[in-house]
Amino acid sequence: DIQMTQSPSSLSASVGDSVTITCRASQVISNYLAWYQQKPGKVPKLLIFAASTLQSGVSSRFSGSASGTDFTLTISSLQPEDVATYYCQKYNSAPPTFGGGTKVEIK
Amino acid sequence: EVQLVESGGGLVKPGGSLRLSCAASGFTFSGYTMNWVRQAPGKGLEWVSHISGDSRYIYYADSVKGRFTISRDNAKNSLYLQMNSLRAEDTAVYYCTRALGTLVVAPQGNWGQGTLVTVSS
Repeated sequence: DIQMTQSPSSLSASVGDSVTITCRASQVISNYLAWYQQKPGKVPKLLIFAASTLQSGVSSRFSGSASGTDFTLTISSLQPEDVATYYCQKYNSAPPTFGGGTKVEIK
Repeated sequence: EVQLVESGGGLVKPGGSLRLSCAASGFTFSGYTMNWVRQAPGKGLEWVSHISGDSRYIYYADSVKGRFTISRDNAKNSLYLQMNSLRAEDTAVYYCTRALGTLVVAPQGNWGQGTLVTVSS
């Protein structure tokens, strides 16, 4: 099975900072990559699919990109409401594996 | 509005069984692949299983294969997960999710609130 490796596992940044989270696939998955946000105590929410397509209603501060088997989620100007754990998920084929998650906190 | 409501969680002894249900509304249930995703306390997300709209395509994570069975009743707009031979490591919140779009393998576009399964003696 394809493994998804996220980094870093956690980060702390200041309000207004640009934050980048990376997800690396162990094999080629084309652009079949999604990103989710899970705020503390809440249900996960789909942010981005097809590596870079923003889900309806999601803030434009979030963006995704791809380069080969490396995928990036960027938060352009970190806000207090962005405190959450972020997960990537590949879905080119079953099983649709999740990455281990990145916890984002405010410094 | 898409609504997914899970039920059936609870405390069960190791080796026991439990059946989870998910009642769906707000969309044409038979047109979408449905999934179960779980999250152990303080841990990350783990995809468990999916079933296509016509039940032709079913897939399980290796961690539950042979012990869990996913099914659906399109007439009742309901998704199920029969869990047998439960282990302590199956303790988690189980989420019912709907696929985004009509692909069999797809992102989880909508999530229920989850139901907690605790396996303990």
